[in-house]
Amino acid sequence: DTGVSQDPRHKITKRGQNVTFRCDPISEHNRLYWYRQTLGQGPEFLTYFQNEAQLEKSRLLSDRFSAERPKGSFSTLEIQRTEQGDSAMYLCASNRQYPTGELFFGSGTQLSVL
Amino acid sequence: KQEVTQIPAALSVPEGENLVLNCSFTDSAIYNLQWFRQDPGKGLTSLLLIQSSQREQTSGRLNASLDKSSGRSTLYIAASQPGDSATYLCAVTPGWTTDSWGKLQFGAGTQVVVTP
Repeated sequence: DTGVSQDPRHKITKRGQNVTFRCDPISEHNRLYWYRQTLGQGPEFLTYFQNEAQLEKSRLLSDRFSAERPKGSFSTLEIQRTEQGDSAMYLCASNRQYPTGELFFGSGTQLSVL
Repeated sequence: KQEVTQIPAALSVPEGENLVLNCSFTDSAIYNLQWFRQDPGKGLTSLLLIQSSQREQTSGRLNASLDKSSGRSTLYIAASQPGDSATYLCAVTPGWTTDSWGKLQFGAGTQVVVTP
């Protein structure tokens, strides 16, 4: 297993368009997380799944954002009606609930909204 | 609300010098603390994780200490190399239970440049 995989690496879109990102976690990890990072800042937590259940959503996740993990494996993050303020790096991470909770991140998807 | 601060925001050292990176947090109720490395335009690479019951962790040239009572962690990188140039981020898992695992609170990072 090669780690957390994200696709695409870069996405350029026009304001108002919908975009979807995919994340494949490390196979034995049951928890999957989405974070957002803007330039010069640390990542901010958006939402997480335990298996297929979405257990928590940050207040940062507006109604235009939706995330799914249908079979408890890969996850998708969709942004509808993109705005320029959505431009950021979207990071996916995964871990096992036990023993340490160490978090492993993917390479991210860099979104630019024009 | 937990706040994580990293000072300085940027650091430049000549090759061979030891690096000392600081991280402070406002609430000592943490489950663990993790240090990450991030190269420009890339994701995060986990370097070290310290459980709240531990005082330090070591991996190769890296050593991280944790003082929960004072809300501080320090990452030491011995004998720095140009390949160590990157942004280093610390993050805490707030709370006492596994419910908060993975919901990290990050600092803004320290950007390190090691000059040959």
